[in-house]
Amino acid sequence: AQRVTQPEKLLSVFKGAPVELKCNYSYSGSPELFWYVQYSRQRLQLLLRHISRESIKGFTADLNKGETSFHLKKPFAQEEDSAMYYCALTGSGGSNYKLTFGKGTLLTVNP
Amino acid sequence: NAGVTQTPKFQVLKTGQSMTLQCAQDMNHNSMYWYRQDPGMGLRLIYYSASEGTTDKGEVPNGYNVSRLNKREFSLRLESAAPSQTSVYFCASSDSGERPQHFGDGTRLSIL
Repeated sequence: AQRVTQPEKLLSVFKGAPVELKCNYSYSGSPELFWYVQYSRQRLQLLLRHISRESIKGFTADLNKGETSFHLKKPFAQEEDSAMYYCALTGSGGSNYKLTFGKGTLLTVNP
Repeated sequence: NAGVTQTPKFQVLKTGQSMTLQCAQDMNHNSMYWYRQDPGMGLRLIYYSASEGTTDKGEVPNGYNVSRLNKREFSLRLESAAPSQTSVYFCASSDSGERPQHFGDGTRLSIL
């Protein structure tokens, strides 16, 4: 069974402070990990995926297979980063297209 | 290019009423999905359709039925709505070789 755990329901930081949103996963095979973001009353949108090794809006995430983690980081948080963030997992290869989501972390960046 | 379109955006039902949520995508994607989003629960998969002509249960299928009408459209039906089905429903689609899914704007459903 695949599972995604986001231990923090709420995270509050001040503008300019570093931010780290934690994500741990459980999966028996080789996973693909994603971060999705949902701004207030907007549709869910893909922020980044581990296979791309990209930085989007200043956010990065590294897959750590040893610790089964995929934490999302940004060195200097901005007020516009306030949103709900979801970590998600799917299996690589084969026909497993289903995403398993974590319960989400609501990030608030205070001025 | 509209992407994934859901209708309606809002709906209020009485317990026991039936309702069909519509979803259409214009990206020629093979796979389509229905999720529900509840506070503190994240997104949970209700049903999915890996390709046209096939449907499968997800994590929380009870009380729902789906129809993959054609490659573009994937509808979700509540036969007898219950207050526990009050939620925001998201439709999503993806291509065969593309893991990330494109989401619609959601349908906010309240059942009294």
